[in-house]
Amino acid sequence: EAQVTQNPRYLITVTGKKLTVTCSQNMNHEYMSWYRQDPGLGLRQIYYSMNVEVTDKGDVPEGYKVSRKEKRNFPLILESPSPNQTSLYFCASSFTENYGYTFGSGTRLTVV
Amino acid sequence: GDSVTQMEGPVTLSEEAFLTINCTYTATGYPSLFWYVQYPGEGLQLLLKATKADDKGSNKGFEATYRKETTSFHLEKGSVQVSDSAVYFCALGDSGAGSYQLTFGKGTKLSVIP
Repeated sequence: EAQVTQNPRYLITVTGKKLTVTCSQNMNHEYMSWYRQDPGLGLRQIYYSMNVEVTDKGDVPEGYKVSRKEKRNFPLILESPSPNQTSLYFCASSFTENYGYTFGSGTRLTVV
Repeated sequence: GDSVTQMEGPVTLSEEAFLTINCTYTATGYPSLFWYVQYPGEGLQLLLKATKADDKGSNKGFEATYRKETTSFHLEKGSVQVSDSAVYFCALGDSGAGSYQLTFGKGTKLSVIP
C-alpha cells in the first residue's frame, strides 16, 4: 500500500530533551515536507526537500532540523524542544509539484 | 508571497443540503490548486485538484473550478451526507523559483446533521 509512515503517533517529552520524528514513504517521491498544525493557524510548512541532500526552510523552521540522506526518509529533529513546539506534525510527500501531497497520519507532540 | 483565504467556519448543514466553501488565492506564478479533507484524528487526504485555469477537479461528488479571472477555487457539493463532516483545506502549490511549496488556508470545519 502506498503510504507515508510517521512515528511515533504520540509523544510527550520534557523541555530540552532531543527527539526525532521519523518519516518514510514507499512511493519513490521526490518531494517531501514537514508541516505543523495549530488551532487557528492552520498548517505551516517547517522544512521541505526536493531530492536527496537538498533541503530548504519553510515558513517556521526555527528550532527544527531535517536531513534527506535517502530518498524515502525525511526525519524531523528537535535538538532542544520547547513548550511552544507542542503541536500536531505531519510529514508529506509528492511525485511532482502538480501531483498533490500524500500525508502521513500525524504525530501529536507535547513538550512539558 | 502566496496566500490562500477560505471562508471561516464552522459550517453546519442538514443532510442533502448544498455545500459551498469559498476559497480565493494570491500567487505570483501559475499555481496548482487543491482541496484536502481531514477527518477527525486523521491526516489530510487529497480530495481534488486543478492544475491550470478553467480546469475542474472532481471527486466523491465534490467539485471545484480553477477561475483565474477571480483567483478562486470554490468547493461545491450538491447533496452533503453526515459522512462528509470534516475539516476542508484549500491549498496552492507554487513551483516558481525552482522550489515547491504548498500553502494552505486555515481550514473550514463542516458539520452535517441528520
